[in-house]
Amino acid sequence: DTAVSQTPKYLVTQMGNDKSIKCEQNLGHDTMYWYKQDSKKFLKIMFSYNNKELIINETVPNRFSPKSPDKAHLNLHINSLELGDSAVYFCASSQYLNTIYFGEGSWLTVV
Amino acid sequence: GENVEQHPSTLSVQEGDSAVIKCTYSDSASNYFPWYKQELGKRPQLIIDIRSNVGEKKDQRIAVTLNKTAKHFSLHITETQPEDSAVYFCAAAPALQGAQKLVFGQGTRLTINP
Repeated sequence: DTAVSQTPKYLVTQMGNDKSIKCEQNLGHDTMYWYKQDSKKFLKIMFSYNNKELIINETVPNRFSPKSPDKAHLNLHINSLELGDSAVYFCASSQYLNTIYFGEGSWLTVV
Repeated sequence: GENVEQHPSTLSVQEGDSAVIKCTYSDSASNYFPWYKQELGKRPQLIIDIRSNVGEKKDQRIAVTLNKTAKHFSLHITETQPEDSAVYFCAAAPALQGAQKLVFGQGTRLTINP
């Protein structure tokens, strides 16, 4: 009964490949997010969706494309992966202005 | 936009002592200030939060204080235990956007020495 689940947990891929990370929440929240945590542990928001509508799109290369088929799912697709994309990607959700709950994280390594 | 500065970046204390982590924020419109704890290899988890209508909030060994005039807030952990070792993040969010526009500090790696 995991609240925010994301797959895969670990992903090792070569430069130039395209990959996707999937996220689902069963908390009934209306807002979902993607955060990136780099090797120095900085947590930075990438995207935020509210009821399937994109509301925050920070300065992220357009190789990153989020997709929200419904308000319980938010997937992240990354094209033409680069070495600098290696990081932990956290999906999260919240109910409007309230507490953010994070998923377990997806460890992406680009070689 | 909001900018959150967190200090220190690393903190080492003896078990049983207190630990204090401080954050400053730039946007006077911010009114929601959560603290997250991230254990090694795990996800960040909320441990306590405070809204701008109160100056202090306590939950057992953890307390958070807020000074809106000075735009800073602090996390206090008393009687520290080895399981308190983790990275702690403060964050700030503006009133109208709340968690949707949460900005995190750089994190503090807290080590409790037995």
